[in-house]
Amino acid sequence: DTGVSQDPRHKITKRGQNVTFRCDPISEHNRLYWYRQTLGQGPEFLTYFQNEAQLEKSRLLSDRFSAERPKGSFSTLEIQRTEQGDSAMYLCASSLTVGGQNIQYFGAGTRLSVL
Amino acid sequence: GESVGLHLPTLSVQEGDNSIINCAYSNSASDYFIWYKQESGKGPQFIIDIRSNMDKRQGQRVTVLLNKTVKHLSLQIAATQPGDSAVYFCAENMGGSARQLTFGSGTQLTVLP
Repeated sequence: DTGVSQDPRHKITKRGQNVTFRCDPISEHNRLYWYRQTLGQGPEFLTYFQNEAQLEKSRLLSDRFSAERPKGSFSTLEIQRTEQGDSAMYLCASSLTVGGQNIQYFGAGTRLSVL
Repeated sequence: GESVGLHLPTLSVQEGDNSIINCAYSNSASDYFIWYKQESGKGPQFIIDIRSNMDKRQGQRVTVLLNKTVKHLSLQIAATQPGDSAVYFCAENMGGSARQLTFGSGTQLTVLP
C-alpha cells in the first residue's frame, strides 16, 4: 500500500494520559499535514510541515500538542495530559505540489477516545 | 472568520440520476478548491480540484463548477451509483503562502435503489 498510513487506528486513553500518533506519508511527498475531525464536521487544520520544518500551526494546537517530523519522512503528533475534548479523529495528509496543484491525500485517521 | 459552508446537510437521489452538491465560500482570496468524498471510517478521498482561474473542470462522471462572482462551488455527479453514498466536503486553499485546506461541514449523499 503506497498511500498515507496512520497508526494506531484507534486509541482509548484515560484523561490526563499522554498519547502519540504516527503518520507515514506517501514516500515522495515533501508536505505533511495534521487535521482534527469531530463527528459531523469537516477536518480542521492543526499543523503543516515542509520536509522537516514545521511551517504553520493553528490556534487549535494548544501547548499540550506537539508535532515532529525529524527526518522529513514520518511524523508524530503527541498530546499531553489529554482532556475529554481531545476526543476526535486525527487525520494526516501529504502532498507534493506539481504545476500549482496541492492535492492533499489523507490517511484513514486515528480515532482518539478520552475517557 | 471566513469559512467554507454548504447549503444542504443531506441529499438523497435515485440510483442513475445526477447529483448536485453545492458549496458557498466567503474568502475572495481563495485560489484553489478541492472536493473530497469521505466514507464511514475512512479518511477523505480526493475527487476533483479546480483553480480560481477556471470556471469548470470535468473528471470521470464528476464536474466541478466555480462561480467566483457569487462565491459558489458545485459538484455534479453523473449517473449516481450506490457506491457514491458518502459525505462530500468542499475545501478551499486561501492563497498566498497558506497551504492548509479549510473544509466545510459536509453534505451526506444517500443513493436510493
